[in-house]
Amino acid sequence: EVQLVESGGGLVEPGGSLRLSCAASGFDFGTHWMHWVRQVPGKGLVWVARIKTDGSKRNHADFAEGRFTISRDNAHSTLYLQLSGLRVDDTGVYFCAREYAHGDLDSWGQGALVTVSS
Amino acid sequence: DIQLTQSPSSLSASVGDRITITCQASQDIYKSLNWYQQKPGKAPNLLIYDASILQTGVPSRFSGGGSGTNFSLTISRLQPTDFATYYCQQFDVVPITFGQGTRLDIK
Repeated sequence: EVQLVESGGGLVEPGGSLRLSCAASGFDFGTHWMHWVRQVPGKGLVWVARIKTDGSKRNHADFAEGRFTISRDNAHSTLYLQLSGLRVDDTGVYFCAREYAHGDLDSWGQGALVTVSS
Repeated sequence: DIQLTQSPSSLSASVGDRITITCQASQDIYKSLNWYQQKPGKAPNLLIYDASILQTGVPSRFSGGGSGTNFSLTISRLQPTDFATYYCQQFDVVPITFGQGTRLDIK
């Protein structure tokens, strides 16, 4: 069974940093692109970033560029999202998701809540 | 960035009804469109990929269609478990974008 489990969320002050982790199991992690998607509670889904199977290519949304960094450790089947320069409007639930083939996010974690507040 | 506009934003329907949600892209995305269902407090669930292909395990009352800039998601014979929020998502061009969502409520 495919499982994705996020951790690392919490309360952080504006300007602070946080690293989210997504532990994957039940599939060959190193053969799938992986993504982060965020959602403000009660609002829509917003794509954050994606990373290629071997980590050689990554893309970030404009709002994340220069502040957030997606990375992965295939030896430990773990996806990361380093968040820095956090702003109040970065508050939300951050989901990791597996891309099955091309663009289809077929498995999702339960989400990690990040709250940016003073 | 490619904008996806879903219509309607919200919809009330009854069990057994047939409903259609549309998703219009701001430029041609061929068939690079997926549909997701999300229930409160849960992660999204993939329903349809490549515009019209039913994800394994998804009931056949869900169907998707369209190409280019106009897409649709149809649910025939609504069941109680179908009341949720639905999102379209394009993957033709980075940044990947989602529609704003369509909330489906019980009438």
